Amino acid sequence: EAGVTQSPTHLIKTRGQQATLRCSPISGHTSVYWYQQALGLGLQFLLWYDEGEERNRGNFPPRFSGRQFPNYSSELNVNALELEDSALYLCASSSWDGTAEQYFGPGTRLTVT
Amino acid sequence: AQSVTQPDIHITVSEGASLELRCNYSYGATPYLFWYVQSPGQGLQLLLKYFSGDTLVQGIKGFEAEFKRSQSSFNLRKPSVHWSDAAEYFCAVAPVRGGSNYKLTFGKGTLLTVNP
Repeated sequence: EAGVTQSPTHLIKTRGQQATLRCSPISGHTSVYWYQQALGLGLQFLLWYDEGEERNRGNFPPRFSGRQFPNYSSELNVNALELEDSALYLCASSSWDGTAEQYFGPGTRLTVT
Repeated sequence: AQSVTQPDIHITVSEGASLELRCNYSYGATPYLFWYVQSPGQGLQLLLKYFSGDTLVQGIKGFEAEFKRSQSSFNLRKPSVHWSDAAEYFCAVAPVRGGSNYKLTFGKGTLLTVNP
């Protein structure tokens, strides 16, 4: 069974640009979560999508947005990039079975210069 | 709001020694509890989880964890550490079914170094 995949592996952008990160969940999983792992800040919840809808978001500004497609894959967009957006962005997926067990992808390393 | 505390930022042990990583949580009710491991530059791998029932749970790679409700703790243990266990370990909690969502709240992590 294929795990969660993310692309690209690395992304280098300039301050003010936009970044798009992609995630494909495990087959059969309908929920996708996005987390940011920034140096010194730990792992922070960003967004949760389920069945194509945004269900919850963490304490991040609106320039962090995303969507979930009919095949349950997801995209995270970060507009007007700032230097502090440099981080590892992790995607996780889970099935809606009430166990909250999330499986993580390898992450996308975003560097903003 | 829920929170997770991992009091040890960095632990160094010798290969073959026993290991215990501490985790305490603050939550209104007993949440789902998890331990994840992250190797450098990699994603997170689930080691084990506690939902209910037996308070001693077994995970992969020879790890186990014990849930103690009275202490709001979920400590991770391994009887004999291998050099390949060197990584960062994260404790996490999520609300039980019926909560508003299943987002994970993580501790800050404990970096494990294994000496030969």
